[in-house]
Amino acid sequence: DQQVKQNSPSLSVQEGRISILNCDYTNSMFDYFLWYKKYPAEGPTFLISISSIKDKNEDGRFTVFLNKSAKHLSLHIVPSQPGDSAVYFCAAPLNTGNQFYFGTGTSLTVIP
Amino acid sequence: DAGITQSPRHKVTETGTPVTLRCHQTENHRYMYWYRQDPGHGLRLIHYSYGVKDTDKGEVSDGYSVSRSKTEDFLLTLESATSSQTSVYFCAIKRSREDSPLHFGNGTRLTVT
Repeated sequence: DQQVKQNSPSLSVQEGRISILNCDYTNSMFDYFLWYKKYPAEGPTFLISISSIKDKNEDGRFTVFLNKSAKHLSLHIVPSQPGDSAVYFCAAPLNTGNQFYFGTGTSLTVIP
Repeated sequence: DAGITQSPRHKVTETGTPVTLRCHQTENHRYMYWYRQDPGHGLRLIHYSYGVKDTDKGEVSDGYSVSRSKTEDFLLTLESATSSQTSVYFCAIKRSREDSPLHFGNGTRLTVT
């Protein structure tokens, strides 16, 4: 049973526009959430996180929004750049933060 | 670079043979993890360790065993490899602080023929 879901396998966006990646979760016990970015032939790299006590966290061009009532989070990238083309995973930990569950990923293509 | 080395980076093996993948960290972190990545499934936890000789199962542990005899090394063993274990395997480490993220190695691509 998938506890963290990313329902869009792929997304294409023009350079300079906003990219919005979405993630849904089912377990209300998650108390923080993370986004990872993955290039081919490399491991995922941590991008940004958000605690469940917040509804927004911003880091440069990247902003994560959390809607706890809807069990939904989203990652906004503004402006999108070709180097942002990668697979993005959302994740959340359980068991005192030690067992992480990942979504299936969204492949973002930023078109120059 | 999070100080994680996975070896080998690529391996091809035959069905029924044992395979061991190694993860080595230089950061002295307590927590280490093995994940597999497959199309349509994302990253799934196989096993994790919260200290030397302390390990626990993840979502997809059947057919895998792990060992951690030293803080810096976490081994994943496929006792008798099957084609369904063809995958990319990632090791990750985590600081003890509760809200710390995972940091991943660059993966091992395993093909079981």
